Amino acid sequence: KAGVTQTPRYLIKTRGQQVTLSCSPISGHRSVSWYQQTPGQGLQFLFEYFSETQRNKGNFPGRFSGRQFSNSRSEMNVSTLELGDSALYLCASSPGQKYNEQFFGPGTRLTVL
Amino acid sequence: AQTVTQSQPEMSVQEAETVTLSCTYDTSESDYYLFWYKQPPSRQMILVIRQEAYKQQNATENRFSVNFQKAAKSFSLKISDSQLGDAAMYFCAYRGGATNKLIFGTGTLLAVQP
Repeated sequence: KAGVTQTPRYLIKTRGQQVTLSCSPISGHRSVSWYQQTPGQGLQFLFEYFSETQRNKGNFPGRFSGRQFSNSRSEMNVSTLELGDSALYLCASSPGQKYNEQFFGPGTRLTVL
Repeated sequence: AQTVTQSQPEMSVQEAETVTLSCTYDTSESDYYLFWYKQPPSRQMILVIRQEAYKQQNATENRFSVNFQKAAKSFSLKISDSQLGDAAMYFCAYRGGATNKLIFGTGTLLAVQP
């Protein structure tokens, strides 16, 4: 099976712009979670989607949003970018509820100038 | 709220030797899972080993094993016969039983000396 894919791998934006990141889970996986990784804050949970519904949300401002499509692919959107949004954004997929393993994608490196 | 603590920011080990990375966690849940993830310089997060809280037996995966002390809320990772390819950042993570949300520790950067 193909692994979790994320596009784009690298992105450079300027403050005030918005950005959309994409994640394609492993075939058959219905749960997709997003994480932000920064040197200062470490790995922080953004949100989780399962069967097109947001099931869990972390402590991020409303500028961070996401959605999941019927084929389980997920997108994450950040509006009005700030310098502090520069980070590695990781996506992880798992088969479903209460499954005990998540598989991570390679990440999208976002730089905000 | 659940927390995960890794008190060793950096560790170093000689090739072929054994090293133990520490992790403690705090939770009031009874159903949970614990994981060790490895993140090499490529930044790809790779699952090393997992432990279900209800299992008393410590998990083992080849050269990797854990020492799970539920009462002490401790979950350490032992790497035996260390190899150069083991050099990476290692994250301890917690997952409550009702969600896929992972709570990560701050990581331990492991260097392997030839």
